[in-house]
Amino acid sequence: SQQGEEDPQALSIQEGENATMNCSYKTSINNLQWYRQNSGRGLVHLILIRSNEREKHSGRLRVTLDTSKKSSSLLITASRAADTASYFCATVSNSGYALNFGKGTSLLVTP
Amino acid sequence: DVKVTQSSRYLVKRTGEKVFLECVQDMDHENMFWYRQDPGLGLRLIYFSYDVKMKEKGDIPEGYSVSREKKERFSLILESASTNQTSMYLCASRTGGRETQYFGPGTRLLVL
Repeated sequence: SQQGEEDPQALSIQEGENATMNCSYKTSINNLQWYRQNSGRGLVHLILIRSNEREKHSGRLRVTLDTSKKSSSLLITASRAADTASYFCATVSNSGYALNFGKGTSLLVTP
Repeated sequence: DVKVTQSSRYLVKRTGEKVFLECVQDMDHENMFWYRQDPGLGLRLIYFSYDVKMKEKGDIPEGYSVSREKKERFSLILESASTNQTSMYLCASRTGGRETQYFGPGTRLLVL
């Protein structure tokens, strides 16, 4: 069952611009993760933010979490063409093992 | 680096065939997962295994079975392939107690 929903579904920007993607989820969480998927490939883990954290950075990535609004955002600064991919947020399912993914945001960065 | 490999990148099968998708991970991970990914539906969990010989149904197990005889290998079996099983299949693994999953490159299956 899906837990997260990303917004927007698609985003097109130019190199050097910032890209912001949002994720909303439904139930309480211990942590939220973001993954990237290049076209036709597997998913790659980007960053994990715990429920007691409000903001986390990793290189050009900045993730925020607002548990009161059940939402998270992923900011990619100074985008590059190589950032072109789909981005998914994920939360741990009720089983405690698997992840529930949203449908993703498709990001296109043009030179 | 964690490596998760899947036996095929592309596979074409006929309706009614028995199909085996293999996944191998090299990091001694306890948990392994099979997802399918379809446009507009995102990733959906088919089955997972939390240990050798242990398996649990996910959200869409119908028409599938799994096998985990060895810790490093998790197989997805389509007992009698149907056209609605045409999809991208993604295998993932993780070590127990850690949240991050590591994905294979995916198998794109076409059932004719």
